[in-house]
Amino acid sequence: GAVVSQHPSWVICKSGTSVKIECRSLDFQATTMFWYRQFPKQSLMLMATSNEGSKATYEQGVEKDKFLINHASLTLSTLTVTSAHPEDSSFYICSARGRGLDSPLHFGNGTRLTVT
Amino acid sequence: DQQVKQNSPSLSVQEGRISILNCDYTNSMFDYFLWYKKYPAEGPTFLISISSIKDKNEDGRFTVFLNKSAKHLSLHIVPSQPGDSAVYFCAASVGNAGGTSYGKLTFGQGTILTVHP
Repeated sequence: GAVVSQHPSWVICKSGTSVKIECRSLDFQATTMFWYRQFPKQSLMLMATSNEGSKATYEQGVEKDKFLINHASLTLSTLTVTSAHPEDSSFYICSARGRGLDSPLHFGNGTRLTVT
Repeated sequence: DQQVKQNSPSLSVQEGRISILNCDYTNSMFDYFLWYKKYPAEGPTFLISISSIKDKNEDGRFTVFLNKSAKHLSLHIVPSQPGDSAVYFCAASVGNAGGTSYGKLTFGQGTILTVHP
């Protein structure tokens, strides 16, 4: 079946550095990808919608200059957390859907980001 | 503003019995609802969904009920198995699988289900 691969699964970085997270659809073309984050014991919160070949649409309250999203191909979207701070530490999850009207939504396994 | 609420943070059930997970929503624009199962450090896995034009959808041991007037949905698992132990999220969307909005999901806080052997 369709699989969404997310890399890395976990990352530790120092405050002030940038971290890139990749989301790949392995056997289908994902025209739309979504980025979520989850704080401990809280729900998944949608951050942004990424459409191939166009600018991402960010949810209210999400800083687009801090969370850079690039959906350069039909199988890859990247989320870059720029100038990371400890409060950015979270679990980031991507999801993707294919072209068809009935195309289901598939989630990656998530990335645990810890900023020290 | 929490538009999708799962008021029970945890539920403990004996193997073989029924598990009932509840979810309430406030946004009347939601017309597509989904249940996901999630293990720690993994992404959610889709379980079952229901469109607002239906009040029930069944798939094997999983049944989802939707009460639009009450803005309430529930997931029934019968019979419950130890392997069902996980965090269960309900999610809602404006627009169904064929709509461009699909994928912009609003999630509840999750309910930890523990099924004891």
